[in-house]
Amino acid sequence: GQNIDQPTEMTATEGAIVQINCTYQTSGFNGLFWYQQHAGEAPTFLSYNVLDGLEEKGRFSSFLSRSKGYSYLLLKELQMKDSASYLCAVSRPGNTGKLIFGQGTTLQVKP
Amino acid sequence: GAGVSQSPRYKVAKRGQDVALRCDPISGHVSLFWYQQALGQGPEFLTYFQNEAQLDKSGLPSDRFFAERPEGSVSTLKIQRTQQEDSAVYLCASSLAGRGLGDQPQHFGDGTRLSIL
Repeated sequence: GQNIDQPTEMTATEGAIVQINCTYQTSGFNGLFWYQQHAGEAPTFLSYNVLDGLEEKGRFSSFLSRSKGYSYLLLKELQMKDSASYLCAVSRPGNTGKLIFGQGTTLQVKP
Repeated sequence: GAGVSQSPRYKVAKRGQDVALRCDPISGHVSLFWYQQALGQGPEFLTYFQNEAQLDKSGLPSDRFFAERPEGSVSTLKIQRTQQEDSAVYLCASSLAGRGLGDQPQHFGDGTRLSIL
């Protein structure tokens, strides 16, 4: 079966740094996506990792270790608008590009 | 508009009724996906189209679920004889890539929130 694990909830303070972890066990692996989803809205693309290492994009960075089946999303200089659900999703080879999502991590940013 | 558009945004139906959910993907996007998202969960794959061809319907929960994309653009997800367990948000996503062309980000619509009474 396919298993993708993320913490259910996290809380952090405005201006701080938070790391959201994702571990996966899937039959085959192509790449890993992170999406942000505000309540009642569409998931929006944040990052994609296919090779090991850190990808930095402004305040957001994403890391992947293929050998460990592990990824994290790092959010710096947190803002109140970063309060949302963060979804980790895996794509597998030869599978039409469909994504297997984790349950999502609800991040609450407090003043 | 520039994004993926879904309608209706909200749908309330009585158990046993049929419903149809519409998705307008981003113009020129080859791939179209439908996902089902239960409250507090991540989206779960339902079906995939490359242009008008339905290449994967392995995620459809039962034969009451049917999807089509007859002209390779707009898609409709139909649910017959709805049940209470069908209540969820139905998300549509599109991407540029066709099969075998590597990963491309999927762009999601806001979804249709379906409630079955």
